[in-house]
Order: sequence, then structure tokens, then C-alpha cells
Amino acid sequence: KNQVEQSPQSLIILEGKNCTLQCNYTVSPFSNLRWYKQDTGRGPVSLTIMTFSENTKSNGRYTATLDADTKQSSLHITASQLSDSASYICVVSPGGSYIPTFGRGTSLIVHP
Amino acid sequence: DADVTQTPRNRITKTGKRIMLECSQTKGHDRMYWYRQDPGLGLRLIYYSFDVKDINKGEISDGYSVSRQAQAKFSLSLESAIPNQTALYFCATSVAGTGELFFGEGSRLTVL
Repeated sequence: KNQVEQSPQSLIILEGKNCTLQCNYTVSPFSNLRWYKQDTGRGPVSLTIMTFSENTKSNGRYTATLDADTKQSSLHITASQLSDSASYICVVSPGGSYIPTFGRGTSLIVHP
Repeated sequence: DADVTQTPRNRITKTGKRIMLECSQTKGHDRMYWYRQDPGLGLRLIYYSFDVKDINKGEISDGYSVSRQAQAKFSLSLESAIPNQTALYFCATSVAGTGELFFGEGSRLTVL
């Protein structure tokens, strides 16, 4: 069964600090992995996409990594801001006519 | 205007009532999805459609039905609402290949 596990479930940090969110998956076949950001009461929005051949990709203060051998990904947030408070969801797509598999998300709270 | 529009945004109803949530999109995408989100459980797929003549059940389709009226419209119905269908519902679209999902703003449904 395809699964995506995220850790931690929730995280509280102080503004300006860095943090790393983890995603482990057992989805096969593998096409790509995306990290989505979901603000409270809003729909998720894609932050980054990682394909099989990519190891690292940055989007501003967000850096995603992918280890396709161990089937792990991480999302690193640098110099956190209050606006980073949100849920971060890891989604793995098998590609083709297969539907994506969602993780349950990590809830991040950034305190001033 | 939003690319993926959901109506209504909020709805309170009573047990046993029939409810329809509507989704329309201007992105020209063939694929459309309905998800529900509950605290701690993440996003779970209810139904999805890869084109106008294609309807597929997701992991939690019991108690729900859908209609794909046109490429741009995908409606979710609860024939006889029950309290455990209280949740935040999201419509999403995508194109084949990239796998990126574009979400609406959500419809919050409360069944009393």
C-alpha cells in the first residue's frame, strides 16, 4: 500500500529560527514529490517539486531535499517568519493515471 | 477571480438533508478531485474524474456521489447528510504529467 509519513506532527519555533520537516514514502512507481503549504482555512499551494533525479531544490527560504534511494525528503525553512505558520503537506505522485498520495502534514507555528 | 471556485464556502445543515457542493474551474484542466480534510487526518480523496465521462471512487466515497457536468464543473453530493460528514471539503484540479494540484478555497460543512 502506498504511504507517506510525515514528522513531526507539529512543531513550534521562534521567529528567525530554522527548522526541518521530514517525509518518508513507500509510493511506487515514483514520479515526483511535492511539498505544499496550507494556511489555516485555505487550500494547499505547491512550494516545490522534486523528481527522481533531483537532490535539492530551493524556493526562497524553503529548501527541499530528496533521497530516492532511502525514499526520504525534507523541507528546510531558513530564518522563519510569522507567515510561515501553516501546515506543510508532502505529496508523492506515481505519475500517469495514478493518483497522488498525501501525508497528514506537519503543523508549524512560528512565535514572535 | 479564483481559478478554482467552490460554493458554498460555508454551510450548516441538519442530519438527513441533501447537500450539494459545487466546484468550477477556469484553468482548463481535465482532472478534478474532491477531498475532505479532518483535523489530524489530513486530506482524504472522495472521488476523482480524469475527464467528463470518467468518474472514480476514492478511499472514502461511501455516503457521497459526484457529477461531472462539464470539463469545468464537478459537484459533490451528500444524499442524506450525517454529523460525521462535518468537515472541510476541497475541490482540486490538475493536468496529466506535472501532477500539481490546484485547490479551491474550501467548503466548510457542518451537519447538526
